[in-house]
Amino acid sequence: EAGVTQFPSHSVIEKGQTVTLRCDPISGHDNLYWYRRVMGKEIKFLLHFVKESKQDESGMPNNRFLAERTGGTYSTLKVQPAELEDSGVYFCASSHAGTGVPSGANVLTFGAGSRLTVL
Amino acid sequence: QKEVEQDPGPLSVPEGAIVSLNCTYSNSAFQYFMWYRQYSRKGPELLMYTYSSGNKEDGRFTAQVDKSSKYISLFIRDSQPSDSATYLCAMSAGGANSKLTFGKGITLSVRP
Repeated sequence: EAGVTQFPSHSVIEKGQTVTLRCDPISGHDNLYWYRRVMGKEIKFLLHFVKESKQDESGMPNNRFLAERTGGTYSTLKVQPAELEDSGVYFCASSHAGTGVPSGANVLTFGAGSRLTVL
Repeated sequence: QKEVEQDPGPLSVPEGAIVSLNCTYSNSAFQYFMWYRQYSRKGPELLMYTYSSGNKEDGRFTAQVDKSSKYISLFIRDSQPSDSATYLCAMSAGGANSKLTFGKGITLSVRP
């Protein structure tokens, strides 16, 4: 089974530019999550898709971030315009609906992350 | 106060040592407790998960949860150089959303 794929693995852009990160979840996984790790901080939740619908976007920092999940398959996370504080590693994770025993334990498979550097 | 606190370390031990990693938390709603292992330039990989209080053992790894103290632990017996990685605790309230709240992670180095 192929894992969660993310690209680019590393992106270096200047402040004010736009970057789009892509995530291909494991085939058949309805749940797709974006998390972010800023240097020196813990990994933090950004948002959660169930198929193509946003279930929870309470972690999105501001309206410069736009996430989409076309047809419930791959997802993109666009940052426009990028700011210095957006630098970090963006992780995507996916899971089956109702994964885990007992039901409710959300067993996530993470991608390797996309490292974003904003200069 | 952060929801999850984890000593960031780093931690260095000799091969064969018993390693104890810990996290504390403040949110009483957390029901699911996980330990992830992350190697350099890789994503976090689920190592163990536990529901509510109690112990769970898997080979050289034992996870403990004490909900009354809001304290979770991961023990690694007979540590190996291949165990060298960053270990992150993560928790969730469970349910339809089940977003994870992570600790900062601790970097473990096992010396041959």
